[in-house]
Amino acid sequence: SQELEQSPQSLIVQEGKNLTINCTSSKTLYGLYWYKQKYGEGLIFLMMLQKGGEEKSHEKITAKLDEKKQQSSLHITASQPSHAGIYLCGADRGSGGGADGLTFGKGTHLIIQP
Amino acid sequence: SAVISQKPSRDICQRGTSLTIQCQVDSQVTMMFWYRQQPGQSLTLIATANQGSEATYESGFVIDKFPISRPNLTFSTLTVSNMSPEDSSIYLCSAKTGLGSPLHFGNGTRLTVT
Repeated sequence: SQELEQSPQSLIVQEGKNLTINCTSSKTLYGLYWYKQKYGEGLIFLMMLQKGGEEKSHEKITAKLDEKKQQSSLHITASQPSHAGIYLCGADRGSGGGADGLTFGKGTHLIIQP
Repeated sequence: SAVISQKPSRDICQRGTSLTIQCQVDSQVTMMFWYRQQPGQSLTLIATANQGSEATYESGFVIDKFPISRPNLTFSTLTVSNMSPEDSSIYLCSAKTGLGSPLHFGNGTRLTVT
């Protein structure tokens, strides 16, 4: 079965600083998704990457997919307190466009210090 | 994107009882999935809710313990039966509008079994 390893597990960053979270898959990535979760709540969809080399940005968050390395990165520029939470990467279980659901990494806990 | 409403948002239940969680989507979706998130852990797929037929369960999850219904394209229920403290988790409903589309989540149901 596919495993997703996220690094770091936790991250404390001073407000205004940049940061990067990585997600590495044990198998070929067909679709890679990034979510944010506030403690004890549901997941907020951030971005979906489907092609090698694809890069997407939304506000101050950029995600990239390196298909060859079976890896994705999430970069936050000029972090703000609103960025605090748990970031999860998820990947399609197989090549069926997500018909079999997603498998998830264990998450990265991000704390923003004022 | 689909908006998913889940209820109850939280509940405290006694050992041996059952709880049914409802999931309502604001538009017709092709795929619905139920996930479990145990304390401090990532998301684990319980089953795919199939419209008009029996759900497809993942390894380690059985219909007698987690019966699922999906009578139409916008609604599903998950029942946690004969509960024990080990069932204390957040249960999350999710849905996709089609292959290759993002998986969206409800706000989850936080279940505590005493």
